[in-house]
Amino acid sequence: AQTVTQSQPEMSVQEAETVTLSCTYDTSESDYYLFWYKQPPSRQMILVIRQEAYKQQNATENRFSVNFQKAAKSFSLKISDSQLGDAAMYFCAYRSIQGGSEKLVFGKGTKLTVNP
Amino acid sequence: GAVVSQHPSWVICKSGTSVKIECRSLDFQATTMFWYRQFPKQSLMLMATSNEGSKATYEQGVEKDKFLINHASLTLSTLTVTSAHPEDSSFYICSWVSRSTDTQYFGPGTRLTVL
Repeated sequence: AQTVTQSQPEMSVQEAETVTLSCTYDTSESDYYLFWYKQPPSRQMILVIRQEAYKQQNATENRFSVNFQKAAKSFSLKISDSQLGDAAMYFCAYRSIQGGSEKLVFGKGTKLTVNP
Repeated sequence: GAVVSQHPSWVICKSGTSVKIECRSLDFQATTMFWYRQFPKQSLMLMATSNEGSKATYEQGVEKDKFLINHASLTLSTLTVTSAHPEDSSFYICSWVSRSTDTQYFGPGTRLTVL
C-alpha cells in the first residue's frame, strides 16, 4: 500500500519570505497523481497544486510551486512571498491511477505559521 | 472553480438521535464521492467511497449500519449518522471527483457534536 510522509509537523515563515514543505511517498507504481491541499482555520480543504507523475515539468500555481523528484519519491511544496493568508495545515496526498481507485492517501499534515 | 456544498455546517444533537448531512457538487460533473472524518489536529480519515446508483464501499472499521450513505443523484449524497453517541462527535467532510479534472474537491465540512 502507498504511504505519504510529511516529516515536518510544524513550520513557520516570515511574511514575504519563502518556505518549503516536505513530502515523501512510497509506491511501486509508475504513474500516479500527487496533490497539495491547504486547510485553513475554516477547515475547508482547498486544492493548492497537482502533479501528474508522468510529467517531468514541475507544476506551478502563482506563488506555489513543487519540486517533484520521481526517483527520490519526493514532492515538496515551495511557497514564495508568503502571505498571512497562507497560514494553514498543508496536506500532501497521493492518488493511484492504476486499478481505477480514486482514493487519496494523505500525509499527516504540516501546520504552517506565517509571522508578520 | 469546482464548488462543493455541505449542509449543515454544524449540528448539535442528543445521544440516540440520527443526523443527516447533505453534500452537493454544484458546478461540475462527478460520479465518485467520498466521506471523511477528521479529528482535531489530525489528517482526514476516509470512511467510505460512493458512486451514484451503487452501494457505498466502507473502509475497514467503519460501521455501514451506523453511517448510512445515500448517493441519490450525480450531484447529491447524504451521510446519516444513526443513533449518534458522543464518540461520533467529529468533523465530517465530503468530496467529489471531477470528471473533467480527475481531482477531488472538498466540501466545507460539518461539525457534529453529540451530547
